[in-house]
Amino acid sequence: EVQLVESGGGLIQPGGSLRLSCAASGFTVSSNYMSWVRQAPGKGLEWVSVIYSGGSTYYADSVKGRFTISRDNSKNTLYLQMNSLRAEDTAVYYCARATITMIVSWGQGTLVTVSS
Amino acid sequence: QSALTQPRSVSGSPGQSVTISCTGTSSDVGGYNYVSWYQQHPGKAPKLMIYDVSKRPSGVPDRFSGSKSGNTASLTISGLQAEDEADYYCCSYAGSYTLGVFGGGTKLTVL
Repeated sequence: EVQLVESGGGLIQPGGSLRLSCAASGFTVSSNYMSWVRQAPGKGLEWVSVIYSGGSTYYADSVKGRFTISRDNSKNTLYLQMNSLRAEDTAVYYCARATITMIVSWGQGTLVTVSS
Repeated sequence: QSALTQPRSVSGSPGQSVTISCTGTSSDVGGYNYVSWYQQHPGKAPKLMIYDVSKRPSGVPDRFSGSKSGNTASLTISGLQAEDEADYYCCSYAGSYTLGVFGGGTKLTVL
């Protein structure tokens, strides 16, 4: 059974950093197209970042230069390093197993709150 | 890319059919047959309901169907049931080396 379990969310001050983790089971992270998608409170979904099986990475313009997606193949875990956080980054962050055309599996999400 | 355009809300009575539209451009919805739809209940993660415009994953009832014409994709739910009340999001592939683009979401109310 495919499972994605996010962790690392919490309350952080503006300008701070946070690293989200997504532990995967039931499949191999490095062989898949993995993504982070976020949802601000009461708002819609926003694709934040993806990492291809080959290692290429892409980011939404809103986070480019501040967020970094990566993976640890030995731990079968996906990460999102978030730096220079802003109030508008406040959201539930979902880890997702995807193809280039759809999101197949979602984690339960982890809430990031950026506030002083 | 700009978000795809969905109606903010739709409603229907049990047993009826409703259709949710999703309008994009020739760079996303109109350019590829790669539209997907997600159902999200309050406080829950989204769930894939339709992919590649009209295909249903295993386990999704055949009451859910998808279609596309030009730059607009549609999700139709027939035989509405109370448990269908949720938010629905469309998403489209938008080309190589880019992220997919979501719609703003539609709240479905079952009256």
